[in-house]
Amino acid sequence: EAGVAQSPRYKIIEKRQSVAFWCNPISGHATLYWYQQILGQGPKLLIQFQNNGVVDDSQLPKDRFSAERLKGVDSTLKIQPAKLEDSAVYLCASSFPSSYNEQFFGPGTRLTVL
Amino acid sequence: ILNVEQSPQSLHVQEGDSTNFTCSFPSSNFYALHWYRWETAKSPEALFVMTLNGDEKKKGRISATLNTKEGYSYLYIKGSQPEDSATYLCAFPIIQGAQKLVFGQGTRLTINP
Repeated sequence: EAGVAQSPRYKIIEKRQSVAFWCNPISGHATLYWYQQILGQGPKLLIQFQNNGVVDDSQLPKDRFSAERLKGVDSTLKIQPAKLEDSAVYLCASSFPSSYNEQFFGPGTRLTVL
Repeated sequence: ILNVEQSPQSLHVQEGDSTNFTCSFPSSNFYALHWYRWETAKSPEALFVMTLNGDEKKKGRISATLNTKEGYSYLYIKGSQPEDSATYLCAFPIIQGAQKLVFGQGTRLTINP
């Protein structure tokens, strides 16, 4: 079974530029998550999709971050414009309905904002 | 605000030594606890899902215990090897409403050869 795919793996941009990350979840997984992991902190949920609908985006900085999952499969997370504090690893995860909310993660995109 | 705490934040261990670290979580409304291992440049990998008080799970040289009454879980590594170097994350699932995981800040383990 193929895992969660993410691209790019690394990205370096200057502040005020835009950037987009892509995620393809495990086939059949209805729920998709985007996390932000800043160095020294645990992953923080940014947005959660159930199929193509948003379930939770309470911690997404909506003035600069946006995400979509138009066909209920792959997803894109965008930052526009980027700030220095957006430097982090952006993880995508997916899950199928399970008793304990087991999530399967991609390798992440490491973003550096200069 | 739900608090999941891990300690220590980082740990350096000599190859061959055993080690352990802690995850603390709210003891009320316990449902489950996840442990993940995250090696550099790889995907976080699920190690264990702990569900019952007194649970003890084992995978090779790694084991975990759970105390839901006092709100902690220990992860043990016996005879550390360089390939054990990783960040170990615990996560507490929220099951009301939008189901999600709340992560601790992780323990970064480095095994010195």
